[in-house]
Amino acid sequence: QQPVQSPQAVILREGEDAVINCSSSKALYSVHWYRQKHGEAPVFLMILLKGGEQKGHEKISASFNEKKQQSSLYLTASQLSYSGTYFCGTNPGGTSYGKLTFGQGTILTVHP
Amino acid sequence: NAGVTQTPKFQVLKTGQSMTLQCAQDMNHEYMSWYRQDPGMGLRLIHYSVGAGITDQGEVPNGYNVSRSTTEDFPLRLLSAAPSQTSVYFCASSYGLAGGETQYFGPGTRLLVL
Repeated sequence: QQPVQSPQAVILREGEDAVINCSSSKALYSVHWYRQKHGEAPVFLMILLKGGEQKGHEKISASFNEKKQQSSLYLTASQLSYSGTYFCGTNPGGTSYGKLTFGQGTILTVHP
Repeated sequence: NAGVTQTPKFQVLKTGQSMTLQCAQDMNHEYMSWYRQDPGMGLRLIHYSVGAGITDQGEVPNGYNVSRSTTEDFPLRLLSAAPSQTSVYFCASSYGLAGGETQYFGPGTRLLVL
């Protein structure tokens, strides 16, 4: 079953923060986050594993709450380059074997 | 490395025609997948492969066939195109590292079925 992302869209000014949530009705082993620019392929951001720590690099980080089967992506001090559609991909157990179940996406727009 | 490549970039088909979408990767990845992307639907898995000679169905396999004769190539065949198959198709590859594998996506093929 497809995970649910919220919000569906968010509009920011440069320098503002945003949180994107991904919730699943199934128990999860890992959550994968991707960003897609218009007309381009999705690009990997990070993976959160069950039992793992919160991850992040620079101003983008993420957490994974195993009990709630929910992951959140945090974007701080947003930049124009952060604009795009963010997808979470979920995997219920161990190796995904290349088969992730993706959410419907969250459209992030950052204005000057 | 070229990464994941897909051809063609664009294609227009008439209902009932067949065609093959090509996908190749040069990273020696074990796993390859085909997704379709429709507005508001995210990415949905069509078929996937865990190695040469081994394929399985994903969430939306009807109307599509795959085969994997080599590690590098994973073509997707549309048997008899229908307007409902109008979509953007992405091929992806990854290697096995329990839970830690990253999927690398190709640039996509935009298909219009009239």
